[in-house]
Amino acid sequence: TQLLEQSPQFLSIQEGENLTVYCNSSSVFSSLQWYRQEPGEGPVLLVTVVTGGEVKKLKRLTFQFGDARKDSSLHITAAQPGDTGLYLCAGAIPSGGSNYKLTFGKGTLLTVNP
Amino acid sequence: ETGVTQTPRHLVMGMTNKKSLKCEQHLGHNAMYWYKQSAKKPLELMFVYNFKEQTENNSVPSRFSPECPNSSHLFLHLHTLQPEDSALYLCASSRMTRVADTQYFGPGTRLTVL
Repeated sequence: TQLLEQSPQFLSIQEGENLTVYCNSSSVFSSLQWYRQEPGEGPVLLVTVVTGGEVKKLKRLTFQFGDARKDSSLHITAAQPGDTGLYLCAGAIPSGGSNYKLTFGKGTLLTVNP
Repeated sequence: ETGVTQTPRHLVMGMTNKKSLKCEQHLGHNAMYWYKQSAKKPLELMFVYNFKEQTENNSVPSRFSPECPNSSHLFLHLHTLQPEDSALYLCASSRMTRVADTQYFGPGTRLTVL
């Protein structure tokens, strides 16, 4: 059973458009992270959200953590070709003692066409 | 520059071969991870090492054998693999395994098993 569902799976848009991708779960997470992965590279962390209802902005990217800490969204304003990549969400779950591990969604593959 | 390097970047091996993947982190971290990334599947955590001790084995088949000689180096020894083991194998490191510790990923090794 996949803990984190990401939607949409694929998204192809034109430069300048806005978009939102979603990360949903029935589980509560201690924190939630968003990564972007480009072809031939490993994922790179964009943001970590910890508090329910938290909103963080990173230039044209806005991240929101749901009030119940079960879901999150990523909104991109005026998308650019450089935003193209695989967007992954990952939730932190306890793994014993004070240790945590990440569980990942399948990702949203975003293509921004010039 | 992520500070996490992986070699080789690409590997093709037969089912009877024995090979090893290497990961090195230059970030002074104490935790290191192996993940498997397959098409149409979420990133799967395989192993976690914290201060050189294995703290997580996510039911990984014994044909995958990890080794962590020190906090900077992590190996994944491979033997008698199956074609379904073909995937991108990602290494990551973090300061520790607490909820707020960011994981930094290497570029991955693209493994093809013939």
